[in-house]
Amino acid sequence: EPEVTQTPSHQVTQMGQEVILRCVPISNHLYFYWYRQILGQKVEFLVSFYNNEISEKSEIFDDQFSVERPDGSNFTLKIRSTKLEDSAMYFCASSALASAGNEQFFGPGTRLTVL
Amino acid sequence: AQSVTQLGSHVSVSEGALVLLRCNYSSSVPPYLFWYVQYPNQGLQLLLKYTTGATLVKGINGFEAEFKKSETSFHLTKPSAHMSDAAEYFCAVTKGGNTPLVFGKGTRLSVIA
Repeated sequence: EPEVTQTPSHQVTQMGQEVILRCVPISNHLYFYWYRQILGQKVEFLVSFYNNEISEKSEIFDDQFSVERPDGSNFTLKIRSTKLEDSAMYFCASSALASAGNEQFFGPGTRLTVL
Repeated sequence: AQSVTQLGSHVSVSEGALVLLRCNYSSSVPPYLFWYVQYPNQGLQLLLKYTTGATLVKGINGFEAEFKKSETSFHLTKPSAHMSDAAEYFCAVTKGGNTPLVFGKGTRLSVIA
């Protein structure tokens, strides 16, 4: 069964460093998303991406964040200068054509630890 | 704006007992409602969803949920808990299409033998 994959599973970085989190969405999906979950808090939406551009973003997704689909398979989230408060689990998701109640398929997540 | 409230961050039930996980939502437009489950070290897996039509929806692993508009609720139930049901459960709402999911804080379900 097709699935969303994410690498790495765990990333440790120093404050101020750049990190790139990678996702491979399901191959025929067109919509891509990043969510994050700070420990003990709810899963929060960061950004959605369609047709090679951002379709929606939350207030969390500030200038420190960027997304890219560098090739036909990968979808990346870059954090330019990490802060302690960026420590969280980051989930990538993808979905097919927009329809009523379309399902978003989630990857296993990348745990980012900023020291 | 949409929001989700899950009552109880941790629910513990005996094996074979009824599982009831509560979810209330707030939405200014007709909602699309979802329950996701997360097993340890895995991603979020869809259990079931409500879009339109029948308000009682059945999902995988024997779970079901009922959309009650008057109560703005979408509680998740399973008649008989199994040890393998132990996981984190998330209720979510969206406006439909490819709009973002708005999640609750999650409820951790423990099943006691």
